[in-house]
Amino acid sequence: RKEVEQDPGPFNVPEGATVAFNCTYSNSASQSFFWYRQDCRKEPKLLMSVYSSGNEDGRFTAQLNRASQYISLLIRDSKLSDSATYLCVVNGLRRSNDYKLSFGAGTTVTVRA
Amino acid sequence: DAMVIQNPRYQVTQFGKPVTLSCSQTLNHNVMYWYQQKSSQAPKLLFHYYDKDFNNEADTPDNFQSRRPNTSFCFLDIRSPGLGDAAMYLCATSGLDSNLAGYTFGSGTRLTVV
Repeated sequence: RKEVEQDPGPFNVPEGATVAFNCTYSNSASQSFFWYRQDCRKEPKLLMSVYSSGNEDGRFTAQLNRASQYISLLIRDSKLSDSATYLCVVNGLRRSNDYKLSFGAGTTVTVRA
Repeated sequence: DAMVIQNPRYQVTQFGKPVTLSCSQTLNHNVMYWYQQKSSQAPKLLFHYYDKDFNNEADTPDNFQSRRPNTSFCFLDIRSPGLGDAAMYLCATSGLDSNLAGYTFGSGTRLTVV
């Protein structure tokens, strides 16, 4: 079983729509969680960290469910510029400052005009 | 300003010809990582340095080696590139705040093997 699993999509949505997707992780001892955004042929960039209580950053809302071991990302009022691949990333601590990030393969979102 | 810099952005090498990719950082992070990412796949960790301590992933081929001469620089050496090694190679760093802030990635080197 993969450490982090995501629905690859693609999710094709019109501008202004809401889109949401999840990822699941297998290691119950995982400590921190992130969503990264990756544009085509570019490096991953941190979109937001995910906290236990859930958190929002503008149009983006992330939620963590430790009991069921899944993380979700919701994008409201989608913009064309939101088209990208969203990587779910789970962090396990090996030792001080030494983490192992496990990546999902990404969920592709395409926002159309 | 770029904080993790990878050179070159694009590298073309011949089958079997050794190639070196470089990464430098201005963050003074003590941990540096090398990932391989193929199309539509998750980044795959090859190895990382915790300070000078080298940590190889169990499934990283022997063909891949790394050097970290100082805190700022880390190199990925591919001794005999095969066609299957064509990929994006990502360098990343982590420091004291990485449990909350995640990693910082360089812009990657896209390797083509001909």
